[in-house]
Amino acid sequence: DQQVKQNSPSLSVQEGRISILNCDYTNSMFDYFLWYKKYPAEGPTFLISISSIKDKNEDGRFTVFLNKSAKHLSLHIVPSQPGDSAVYFCAASTQGGSEKLVFGKGTKLTVNP
Amino acid sequence: GAGVSQSPSNKVTEKGKDVELRCDPISGHTALYWYRQSLGQGLEFLIYFQGNSAPDKSGLPSDRFSAERTGGSVSTLTIQRTQQEDSAVYLCASSLFLDIRETQYFGPGTRLLVL
Repeated sequence: DQQVKQNSPSLSVQEGRISILNCDYTNSMFDYFLWYKKYPAEGPTFLISISSIKDKNEDGRFTVFLNKSAKHLSLHIVPSQPGDSAVYFCAASTQGGSEKLVFGKGTKLTVNP
Repeated sequence: GAGVSQSPSNKVTEKGKDVELRCDPISGHTALYWYRQSLGQGLEFLIYFQGNSAPDKSGLPSDRFSAERTGGSVSTLTIQRTQQEDSAVYLCASSLFLDIRETQYFGPGTRLLVL
């Protein structure tokens, strides 16, 4: 059973517009969430994280929103740039738990010039 | 400094053979993690090390999989009697210490194909 779900396999946006990537989780014990970005033939790169005590975390063009009641988080990229084209993975974990990250299947973002 | 490195970058093997995958973490990183990504799937956690110790091996898919870490540095993931379903990208990551809030830095992965 998938505990972290990214229901959109792909997303295409125009350069300069907002990209919104979504992630849902089922395990209510998860209290720490991360987004990773992955380019082809490279390992994932950490992007941004959020603890369950917050509902928003911002880092430059990247903002993550957490809705605990809906067990939903989203990553907003504003403005989107062609270099943002990559696969984005949502991951979740339990702080003080098994140090295990549970990943979604990823969303492939394409930003068109 | 150098990032996480993995070798080989690609490995093609025949069903039933043993393979050994190597991970060199970032110098000074005490925690090391192994994941795998099968085609069309997300990253699946396999095992983590705190120093040379792996407290929880329950993520390993079967008893054909084993991992060790020596000298608090290099780690080896061994798959015995490989099966076609073992074909995947095997990713290694390291972090400064063992805490989920500590950034995990990933290597480029080893692409394993079992024929």
